[in-house]
Amino acid sequence: DAGVIQSPRHEVTEMGQEVTLRCKPISGHDYLFWYRQTMMRGLELLIYFNNNVPIDDSGMPEDRFSAKMPNASFSTLKIQPSEPRDSAVYFCASSLETSGGNGEQFFGPGTRLTVL
Amino acid sequence: AQSVTQLGSHVSVSEGALVLLRCNYSSSVPPYLFWYVQYPNQGLQLLLKYTSAATLVKGINGFEAEFKKSETSFHLTKPSANMSDAAEYFCAVSGRVWGKLIFGQGTTLQVKP
Repeated sequence: DAGVIQSPRHEVTEMGQEVTLRCKPISGHDYLFWYRQTMMRGLELLIYFNNNVPIDDSGMPEDRFSAKMPNASFSTLKIQPSEPRDSAVYFCASSLETSGGNGEQFFGPGTRLTVL
Repeated sequence: AQSVTQLGSHVSVSEGALVLLRCNYSSSVPPYLFWYVQYPNQGLQLLLKYTSAATLVKGINGFEAEFKKSETSFHLTKPSANMSDAAEYFCAVSGRVWGKLIFGQGTTLQVKP
């Protein structure tokens, strides 16, 4: 399996622009997670989906952030409008709920976002 | 609520020395516990996991961790550090809601030659 795929790997944009981050989970996984990592705040869970349905979006910082999962193999995280404080590395992770499953998550390589 | 505390944001050891990274957790239900490693400019990679089988868990790259319920700890150890072990390490516990992991703040391991 190719693992979790994220694109782009790096994104540089100007304040006020719309940014869309993309994620393809591991095939067959039914949970998908979006995290943000910064030096100041560490690793933060933004939102997660189960079977394409958002379960918990309490970590989404503001209305400027939105996430969708239109199907089992694709998710997007959108920031509109972007601000310099959104600069961070955004990770996508996926997992599979099996009988006796323990919640192990598989992470993508991340998207490094810089908002100027 | 579940929580994880990693003691020490930075740990420095000499090459060949013992590595000990500390993790304490809080959980009102039997926990599942994880250690992840993050190398520079990469995503998190699972090192090892405790899922209520053996209390001593062996992972990749010579790491192991011991689950101690009485101490609510899950410390990560490696007998002899390699330069390639330099990375950030995260301890995590599974939350009440299946699938959600609660991560600690991370410990950066520096290995000196």
